Amino acid sequence: GEDVEQSLFLSVREGDSSVINCTYTDSSSTYLYWYKQEPGAGLQLLTYIFSNMDMKQDQRLTVLLNKKDKHLSLRIADTQTGDSAIYFCAVKRSGSARQLTFGSGTQLTVLP
Amino acid sequence: NAGVTQTPKFRILKIGQSMTLQCTQDMNHNYMYWYRQDPGMGLKLIYYSVGAGITDKGEVPNGYNVSRSTTEDFPLRLELAAPSQTSVYFCASREGGGERYSNQPQHFGDGTRLSIL
Repeated sequence: GEDVEQSLFLSVREGDSSVINCTYTDSSSTYLYWYKQEPGAGLQLLTYIFSNMDMKQDQRLTVLLNKKDKHLSLRIADTQTGDSAIYFCAVKRSGSARQLTFGSGTQLTVLP
Repeated sequence: NAGVTQTPKFRILKIGQSMTLQCTQDMNHNYMYWYRQDPGMGLKLIYYSVGAGITDKGEVPNGYNVSRSTTEDFPLRLELAAPSQTSVYFCASREGGGERYSNQPQHFGDGTRLSIL
């Protein structure tokens, strides 16, 4: 089955860029998502990218996809303290109602 | 604009007790999901449903049961609570019904934090 991996922790200074990385194993993955989880809350969709795209930009967020290496990254520009949260990578295979396989999440801490 | 609503938010159970975690959505979504989230782990799929009257097992269904009598509601039942079921439980829903909905994201509730002692 699909395996999705992320590093557990990342710390950055306020105003710097954050890059959160994710690797996956199933080359038939079609949609790749980034979710944000704040303390005590559910998961909030940040952005997603379709597998035929290399890059997607949405305001401060940039998603890069390297299909050859099965590597996905989320870059947050000008990181703010409000960006401190857990970020989950999730991947979906085409035609699968069971849908998403989640990574373990990366805890982003933004230091003042 | 409720979205996905889960109740209760917190619960402590004794070993062997039973309870039902409630989930309701007001977006008329066909697909609904139950996940559990353990510390330092991603979400694991317990059960899912593609429509009223249809349910199927996910990765970790043992010890749980679900039903889907209406589009809106997807309750999760624990019959004999065990300490291994201490976790945070998330319900999610999305539009579904064909490949054209494949890119639709899942919408999550705020979770139920369950402790079994």
